[in-house]
Amino acid sequence: QVQLKETGPGLVQPTQTLSITCTVSGFSLTSYYMQWVRQTPGKGLEWMGFIRSGGSTEYNSEFKSRLSISRDTSKNQVFLKMNSLKTEDTGVYYCARVSYYYDGYLPFDYWGQGVMVTVSS
Amino acid sequence: DVVMTQTPPSLSVAIGQSVSISCKSSQSLVYSDGKTYLHWLLQSPGRSPKRLIYQVSNLGSGVPDRFSGTGSQKDFTLKISRVEAEDLGVYYCAQTTHFPYTFGAGTKLELK
Repeated sequence: QVQLKETGPGLVQPTQTLSITCTVSGFSLTSYYMQWVRQTPGKGLEWMGFIRSGGSTEYNSEFKSRLSISRDTSKNQVFLKMNSLKTEDTGVYYCARVSYYYDGYLPFDYWGQGVMVTVSS
Repeated sequence: DVVMTQTPPSLSVAIGQSVSISCKSSQSLVYSDGKTYLHWLLQSPGRSPKRLIYQVSNLGSGVPDRFSGTGSQKDFTLKISRVEAEDLGVYYCAQTTHFPYTFGAGTKLELK
């Protein structure tokens, strides 16, 4: 069955770089878009970006040049890297997968459990 | 960015009651292909969000048919008929017509 699991550092210092890995099973990354969504106390749910099945990416301009999404299809992993962290980046980070239906698509169909990230010195 | 406004912020319901949640967008959500990319999600307490409805009115896989979605352009509604205990949590609308994708602030459904 489809499974997604995020792993990450838990605690990151301000100005440092956040790295989170989403490990998936039950499907191929070359067939589905993978999204990153975060949930913060200040802004609620925020779409961060996605990586397409072909490997190209789209980002929320809110994160400007701080954010990078990549993948390793051989390891079934998707990566999020965000630099110059601020305390406002504290929150839960989720990866999510799209699903395609005959009449359209559901962009946030399967979700990981999320990883809590605290930005603090 | 498209602003998604959900009302009410919270609802108290009795099991078996029916409820409606409104979601209004600051711009039309009709894409150039003629389709409307407005979706609904539910986040149960302590859990990740989960699928409910895609493209206004289509139920995601495994979602019970007591959930229904209607609307067009900028005005959308989620209706839950005969609320059950497992339906409690926070409901979000989300649009994927325009970049960046955006979510509503949520409507919390609680037991009366």
